[in-house]
Amino acid sequence: KNEVEQSPQNLTAQEGEFITINCSYSVGISALHWLQQHPGGGIVSLFMLSSGKKKHGRLIATINIQEKHSSLHITASHPRDSAVYICAVPTDSWGKLQFGAGTQVVVTP
Amino acid sequence: EPEVTQTPSHQVTQMGQEVILRCVPISNHLYFYWYRQILGQKVEFLVSFYNNEISEKSEIFDDQFSVERPDGSNFTLKIRSTKLEDSAMYFCASSRTSGRPGELFFGEGSRLTVL
Repeated sequence: KNEVEQSPQNLTAQEGEFITINCSYSVGISALHWLQQHPGGGIVSLFMLSSGKKKHGRLIATINIQEKHSSLHITASHPRDSAVYICAVPTDSWGKLQFGAGTQVVVTP
Repeated sequence: EPEVTQTPSHQVTQMGQEVILRCVPISNHLYFYWYRQILGQKVEFLVSFYNNEISEKSEIFDDQFSVERPDGSNFTLKIRSTKLEDSAMYFCASSRTSGRPGELFFGEGSRLTVL
């Protein structure tokens, strides 16, 4: 079973602060997804990465396959970044994902 | 920007009733998935579908569940006889490829409440 652990579970930051969310998984995989779940429940895919680093706007995701660890960073955080951030890893196939429990991020003005 | 659409956004049903949740994946995508999230719990994989058949399914996806692609656009999840524990948010997703890392596109979800 591929355990996917996220930390922290909850995070509160002031607007402008740098935020880091971590994800560790217990078996080797070739890619990892970072997802954002809106307060209304909808899910948006932020990144899918298999090595190194990806950047999209103020979001940066890194992955270390050897250490089975990934981080999601939010630079210059804003209240609209408030959401649950979820990492997910493929198990037997690319779409058969095992999900982390999510990190609830609240950014206050 | 192309998107995955799901209907209904919320459905309330009585225990024992049949429910069909509908999804319209992105038009050139080939792989389709259903996931569910019980309130307060992790998202869980239910089933993947490719070339008009199920590719993989989880232990959750028992005989009460079925999926089909009745036409070229819709992808449906049917629950034959709903139970209280089927209350959850159900997410459809699609991707263009599966043989290599493929980005997944999720719908907004269908919230099912079983009374």
